[in-house]
Amino acid sequence: GDSVTQMEGPVTLSEEACLTINCTYTATGYPSLFWYVQYPGEGLQLLLKATKADDKGSNKGFEATYRKETTSFHLEKGSVQVSDSAVYFCALSWNSGNTPLVFGKGTRLSVIA
Amino acid sequence: DADVTQTPRNRITKTGKRIMLECSQTKGHDRMYWYRQDPGLGLRLIYYSFDVKDINKGEISDGYSVSRQAQAKFSLSLESAIPNQTALYFCATSDPGQGGYGYTFGSGTRLTVV
Repeated sequence: GDSVTQMEGPVTLSEEACLTINCTYTATGYPSLFWYVQYPGEGLQLLLKATKADDKGSNKGFEATYRKETTSFHLEKGSVQVSDSAVYFCALSWNSGNTPLVFGKGTRLSVIA
Repeated sequence: DADVTQTPRNRITKTGKRIMLECSQTKGHDRMYWYRQDPGLGLRLIYYSFDVKDINKGEISDGYSVSRQAQAKFSLSLESAIPNQTALYFCATSDPGQGGYGYTFGSGTRLTVV
């Protein structure tokens, strides 16, 4: 079945450092891909998305590009802030919406001042 | 009020007790989900419902049951709680026209079974 694999954490970075969180997927075909973020004590919220190959999703300084050749959707940010400390989840679904989101295991990011 | 409300926010219960976690939404979405979050395991799907008459098992439904009382309400029950059901539980809704980016999550229920 479909699955998502993301790098294990926790990841600890100093403020203004560069961030990359790797995500790869296994699926038959080309699903839509997402990054969700969970801030402490809160539910998940959508960070960015890409619905077809070569699409780049971006939001709040984060970016991820849908690479079908490598079945990847790595999350990047050039300069992290303390407020970016959270758990980040990569996920996939199908455009039909008839199957629930499939999540990776999550990567905890801690940014220190 | 939040779009997706989960009650209670925190609960401690004893092994063998029956417990119900409730979820209500004001999004008007037909589709509702229950996920469980465990450290290092991410979110795993327990049950989902695409409309009031539709209930589907997820990957970890054993030991759980659900009830879709109305479009806006979707409850998760643990008939006889056990310690390895200690976890953070999330309810979510989605718009069928928006695939994976139409999901709205509640703030979660932290359940501890002692």
